[in-house]
Amino acid sequence: KQEVTQIPAALSVPEGENLVLNCSFTDSAIYNLQWFRQDPGKGLTSLLLIQSSQREQTSGRLNASLDKSSGRSTLYIAASQPGDSATYLCATSLSGGYNKLIFGAGTRLAVHP
Amino acid sequence: EPEVTQTPSHQVTQMGQEVILRCVPISNHLYFYWYRQILGQKVEFLVSFYNNEISEKSEIFDDQFSVERPDGSNFTLKIRSTKLEDSAMYFCASSVSSYEQYFGPGTRLTVT
Repeated sequence: KQEVTQIPAALSVPEGENLVLNCSFTDSAIYNLQWFRQDPGKGLTSLLLIQSSQREQTSGRLNASLDKSSGRSTLYIAASQPGDSATYLCATSLSGGYNKLIFGAGTRLAVHP
Repeated sequence: EPEVTQTPSHQVTQMGQEVILRCVPISNHLYFYWYRQILGQKVEFLVSFYNNEISEKSEIFDDQFSVERPDGSNFTLKIRSTKLEDSAMYFCASSVSSYEQYFGPGTRLTVT
């Protein structure tokens, strides 16, 4: 059974810092890995999708990497801004399934001016 | 940009009542999903739907739950007899083939 863990659970940083959010998963037979942003009481916004054959994806100030063999993914946020404050969720789908996503508990990020 | 929509945004119901949560997936998507998030907990998979039938369901998705795509655009989740523990945020998602899933804004269900 796939387990997804995110570390740290919470992070508070000053504006402008570069930061790394970590995601680990127990079953390396993933089909893809998706990073989401969730604002309080709101839905999930997809940030990046990494397919199992890929090593990384970039979108603006965000870069996500994937190491299937070690069961890890990282989300790198460059030059953080107060508007980046949110909870960041990592989710994986497994090969051979209908791509149900298994979520981690998230990292709650606060960027202060 | 196309997006997944959900109605209502908030539903309050009494224990034992039936509720129907509605979703309009992105129009060219073929795979549809329901997830839920109990306050303070992880997002959990409930069910996936493809080609007009359930393709996978979780242990949570018992006989009290059902899904339907009644008219080719809407995708609904029905809970026949709600329990207090059904109180959660329910998210609908859709995807093209096996790729990126797009989520709706959610319906907050409160069972009293």
